[in-house]
Parts: sequence; structure tokens; C-alpha cells
Amino acid sequence: EAQVTQNPRYLITVTGKKLTVTCSQNMNHEYMSWYRQDPGLGLRQIYYSMNVEVTDKGDVPEGYKVSRKEKRNFPLILESPSPNQTSLYFCASSSSGGLSYNEQFFGPGTRLTVL
Amino acid sequence: QQPVQSPQAVILREGEDAVINCSSSKALYSVHWYRQKHGEAPVFLMILLKGGEQKGHEKISASFNEKKQQSSLYLTASQLSYSGTYFCGSENNAGNMLTFGGGTRLMVKP
Repeated sequence: EAQVTQNPRYLITVTGKKLTVTCSQNMNHEYMSWYRQDPGLGLRQIYYSMNVEVTDKGDVPEGYKVSRKEKRNFPLILESPSPNQTSLYFCASSSSGGLSYNEQFFGPGTRLTVL
Repeated sequence: QQPVQSPQAVILREGEDAVINCSSSKALYSVHWYRQKHGEAPVFLMILLKGGEQKGHEKISASFNEKKQQSSLYLTASQLSYSGTYFCGSENNAGNMLTFGGGTRLMVKP
């Protein structure tokens, strides 16, 4: 089954404790992206990757890191989480050709709480 | 700058119609529409690429007015399954970033 998976689905942590949220897709998609969702603000793009070893900042990259060493994986790293990073996080992927022609497939989401 | 969606919320009876608007202060190169049901991931509805283009998806259609930097989503004869939050997304001119609006919560009642 074609899908985007994220782990963990739920995470409660404390300020400053490094964490990684994994994202994996099995559709051979070039484009992958991370969004955070907060009430009233919709989905805001954190980072995106056009292909392996190619990543770039989205609208809200502060406090986050990403890497794209393999096509299928795009982990989101919070080196020193703070309470304002408490949010619902979605990973998404899309096939090549740019966003104009392709839908994004979203993962199930990771609900992160930073105390 | 996020696109602005209106209304923020709407309640309908089954069979009624609704329009969700999306406007941007910046040029719109393409508009993406997604629906998110409660507790689930957003799901793609459609992309509108050219000004004036209209697309349809079941009884859901959309228009894109490039000049006015606006897009509208039309839900006709709404069904219970249409309930959810609808997001429009504006794509940048490089085709690599999507900026979503704040969402419109739609509730369809029997």
C-alpha cells in the first residue's frame, strides 16, 4: 500500500531534550516536506526537500533541522525543543515535476507536546 | 504571507450549497485545495493551474481568478461526508513551496 509513515505518533517530552521524528514514504517520491499545524494557523511549511541531499527552508524553519540521505526518509530533528514547538506535525511527499502538477500525500501526523 | 480563507466556519444542512473563498495579497501561480477530517491527515482535492480554470471533484468544484488573486471552492448538494476543514494552498513561482490558509471548518448536519 502506497503510504507515508511517521513515528512516533504521539510524543511528550521536556524542554531541551533532543528528539527526532521519522518520516518514510514507499512511493519513490522525490519531493518531501514537513508541516506543523496549529489552531487557526493552518499548515505551515517547516522544511522541504526536492531530492536526496537537497533540502531548503520553508516558512517556519527556526528550531528545526532535517536531512535527506535516502530518497524514502526525511527525518525532522528538534535539537533543543521548546514549549512553542508543541504542535501537530505532518510529513508529506510528492512525485517529481514540482508541486504544480502533483498532489501531496500526507502522513498520519505526530502530536508533540514539549513541557 | 498566508492566503486568507473565508468564512472561517460554516454549518450546513445536508443538500445545501457552500462556497469557500481563498484570497492572497501576493500573486497566485497555482492553488491547491485539501480537506482534512477530524483527527486525520489532509487529503488532496484538486490543483488549479491557470487563471480562470475550473476543476471538479464529485460535487466539489473550484475556480481560480488569477487577476483577483482569488480562488473559490464550491460544494454542491453537500453530504455528511463533506464535513471537515478545507485548506487552500498557494504555490510559489518556483513550484517548491506551498503556503496554506488558516482553514475553513465545514460541518454538514442531517
